[in-house]
Amino acid sequence: KAGVTQTPRYLIKTRGQQVTLSCSPISGHRSVSWYQQTPGQGLQFLFEYFSETQRNKGNFPGRFSGRQFSNSRSEMNVSTLELGDSALYLCASSTPGYQTQYFGPGTRLLVL
Amino acid sequence: AQSVTQPDIHITVSEGASLELRCNYSYGATPYLFWYVQSPGQGLQLLLKYFSGDTLVQGIKGFEAEFKRSQSSFNLRKPSVHWSDAAEYFCAVGVRAGGTSYGKLTFGQGTILTVHP
Repeated sequence: KAGVTQTPRYLIKTRGQQVTLSCSPISGHRSVSWYQQTPGQGLQFLFEYFSETQRNKGNFPGRFSGRQFSNSRSEMNVSTLELGDSALYLCASSTPGYQTQYFGPGTRLLVL
Repeated sequence: AQSVTQPDIHITVSEGASLELRCNYSYGATPYLFWYVQSPGQGLQLLLKYFSGDTLVQGIKGFEAEFKRSQSSFNLRKPSVHWSDAAEYFCAVGVRAGGTSYGKLTFGQGTILTVHP
């Protein structure tokens, strides 16, 4: 089976812009979670989607949003980018009920 | 809310030496426990997981971990380290179905492993 894929892998944006990141889960996985990884804060949970519904949300401002499509693919959007949004954004997929999350390679976002 | 502590930020070992990375968690019930490894610029790779049953779990690449409920610990071990094991290691806790944070993993701050030849 193909693993979790994320596009794009690298992105450079300027402050105030918005960005959309994409995640395709492992085939058959219906749950997708997003995490932000920074040197200062480590790995922090953003949100989790299952069957196109957000089931859980971390402690991030409303500028961070996401959605999931009927084929389980997910996108996350960050509006009005700030310098502090520079991070590695990781997507993970899992089968319901098992909590074993498999991670993609991440999208490296740099905000200038 | 659950939390994870990895007391060692950086560990250096010689190739061939044994390794133990520490992980302590805080959670009101028996959690799901995981160890992940991350090479520079890469995503997280699952090494092993504990859900229930035998408290000593085997993972990939020769790693094992032992769940000790009395100590709220889930330490990762390897009897003989290889240079390719140099990476950052993360311990994580997940919530069982029905928990309010279901679907979320809480990670420790990570331990960077350096391997000397």
